[in-house]
Amino acid sequence: EADIYQTPRYLVIGTGKKITLECSQTMGHDKMYWYQQDPGMELHLIHYSYGVNSTEKGDLSSESTVSRIRTEHFPLTLESARPSHTSQYLCASSGENTEAFFGQGTRLTVV
Amino acid sequence: KNQVEQSPQSLIILEGKNCTLQCNYTVSPFSNLRWYKQDTGRGPVSLTIMTFSENTKSNGRYTATLDADTKQSSLHITASQLSDSASYICVVSDRGSTLGRLYFGRGTQLTVWP
Repeated sequence: EADIYQTPRYLVIGTGKKITLECSQTMGHDKMYWYQQDPGMELHLIHYSYGVNSTEKGDLSSESTVSRIRTEHFPLTLESARPSHTSQYLCASSGENTEAFFGQGTRLTVV
Repeated sequence: KNQVEQSPQSLIILEGKNCTLQCNYTVSPFSNLRWYKQDTGRGPVSLTIMTFSENTKSNGRYTATLDADTKQSSLHITASQLSDSASYICVVSDRGSTLGRLYFGRGTQLTVWP
């Protein structure tokens, strides 16, 4: 079973609030990813990291930011949430030449 | 442009029947191809992973095939069960970057009816 965890699982928050979505893995993986997925649609890469202090933006433009201070932790932050940010956010990690393991996701609703 | 195309977009079958899902990709240089199962509202779970030299791989009732020459893969589900209802996502990884980028298909939504 994959050891990658996301919290919270569900979040309903008002417009303008700052939020941080947590993602942690205990597998020692260097590579970590954040994906955004709308219902019935494919996953879109919004951020990725290939190690501590290394982060890059993905294919889909996002107003969120990420940090990678520790190998096991890859939080995603929205400084001012908007209704357009309503979506499911999935975190994943992978080792060298290994499959990617996904967290259970955070379903964010901004009202 | 690196792309992954899946077909059909959705599929409904009766419990106990077999089905085959298709995946075509243009990702190059190719590293590996994975099939994931994603239940509604949950994260994807890996079913199989295949490298360039592997033609087929099985995981219980799931059998994946890969033709690296034609850049096609299929996922065959045998004796379907109600719990097989989910989205099945084809993911291709390249080896042209240090990150090993993952390219996702849109998935095939499978519904199994009793």
